[in-house]
Amino acid sequence: NFMLTQPHSVSESPGKTVTISCTRSSGSIATNFVHWYQQRPGSSPTTVIYEDDQRPSGVPDRFSGSIDTSSNSASLTISGLKTEDEADYYCQCYDGSNWVFGGGTKLTVL
Amino acid sequence: QVTLRESGPALVKPTQTLTLTCTFSGFSLNTAAMCVTWIRQPPGKALEWLALIDWADDKYYSASLKTRLTISKDTSKNQVVLTMTNVDPADTATYYCARKSGAADNLDYWGQGVRVTVSS
Repeated sequence: NFMLTQPHSVSESPGKTVTISCTRSSGSIATNFVHWYQQRPGSSPTTVIYEDDQRPSGVPDRFSGSIDTSSNSASLTISGLKTEDEADYYCQCYDGSNWVFGGGTKLTVL
Repeated sequence: QVTLRESGPALVKPTQTLTLTCTFSGFSLNTAAMCVTWIRQPPGKALEWLALIDWADDKYYSASLKTRLTISKDTSKNQVVLTMTNVDPADTATYYCARKSGAADNLDYWGQGVRVTVSS
């Protein structure tokens, strides 16, 4: 089994752009799709990016996803930050028999 | 409209068995490629996947908890049940059920979660 490592926290100002990384410990990041969830305080997670770079309907195009095989990591980028983007973000992969979540990143918009 | 709702006891004593029920609507677990999974989140901590059951009644478990978990479904009631034996205070968490549908392996709908505390 592999692990997904995320930074514990990031912060940025409204209107700016922030990128959250998710590094896979073993095996290629390209082997399995990466999904990203947003969890606001007191709420259930919701998908903001699925299958590396796909955005569900209703998610603003300020949210984008990508993978980088050279660093074996995935990234979630949020541009034009709004205070409503303040939340915990989790990356997730499925390896055929297990769903693996990253440790989560707390985004502060200040 | 797809909805999922978790139910279960708010408080369980150590060594007891925890039984959680996920009642869903807006889809059928008889439909090919449909799955329901359980995830938990200890207070202030990350999400942890527990178990999944699919439309064919195949079951998958977290390797670290496999010996303590059982997942089952009742398609006539649109329910999925998770049991966890021999609970410990470390099992205190919010437990979520969520849906996986089709070929995508992300979880597209989640319940609101049920908070379970393990304490004597």
